[in-house]
Amino acid sequence: DTAVSQTPKYLVTQMGNDKSIKCEQNLGHDTMYWYKQDSKKFLKIMFSYNNKELIINETVPNRFSPKSPDKAHLNLHINSLELGDSAVYFCASSPDLTDTQYFGPGTRLTVL
Amino acid sequence: RKEVEQDPGPFNVPEGATVAFNCTYSNSASQSFFWYRQDCRKEPKLLMSVYSSGNEDGRFTAQLNRASQYISLLIRDSKLSDSATYLCVVNRAGNTPLVFGKGTRLSVIA
Repeated sequence: DTAVSQTPKYLVTQMGNDKSIKCEQNLGHDTMYWYKQDSKKFLKIMFSYNNKELIINETVPNRFSPKSPDKAHLNLHINSLELGDSAVYFCASSPDLTDTQYFGPGTRLTVL
Repeated sequence: RKEVEQDPGPFNVPEGATVAFNCTYSNSASQSFFWYRQDCRKEPKLLMSVYSSGNEDGRFTAQLNRASQYISLLIRDSKLSDSATYLCVVNRAGNTPLVFGKGTRLSVIA
């Protein structure tokens, strides 16, 4: 019974394309996040949503647009993909901002 | 000073060894502390929370030193399956999200 799920698991695309990654959590949590983990393995927060509202945007280019249709979903849309966007993107959720976070399995994005 | 700092390792230890990792944090108002574990090509998973009085879970012991602003993780009787990257996680202050350290890589060798 998956707690935090993401689709797709792998995404290979050309520079300049637009793509979306979906995330869903069935834990009843109020807060959801998107993280980027690059080739150096550093896990960096991108966005945080609490009850469908954006509360944190960590200086991410505006080509990245998160959308939370409801508390259980946080999707990430990326416009005009660049080579530097290649990374693993993790979705996570937590009961509140300071509490334990539960991560999805990650989406490995490769931009060619 | 970085918000959360860890020695990246790798720590290469034989099975059965005891190994300890330290992590320092910069914000003295931080209230939440955790250790996460991340296996290769997998998502981070909570290993244990770190409480002020220190806490133990089987072979794992976590300690918090607020005066020196560091947390530690001790692994006793290392197993091959302990090989992973261990992430130190701290919140900044107040109602703010967690900050993940860059991780310490551990390899337990037979």
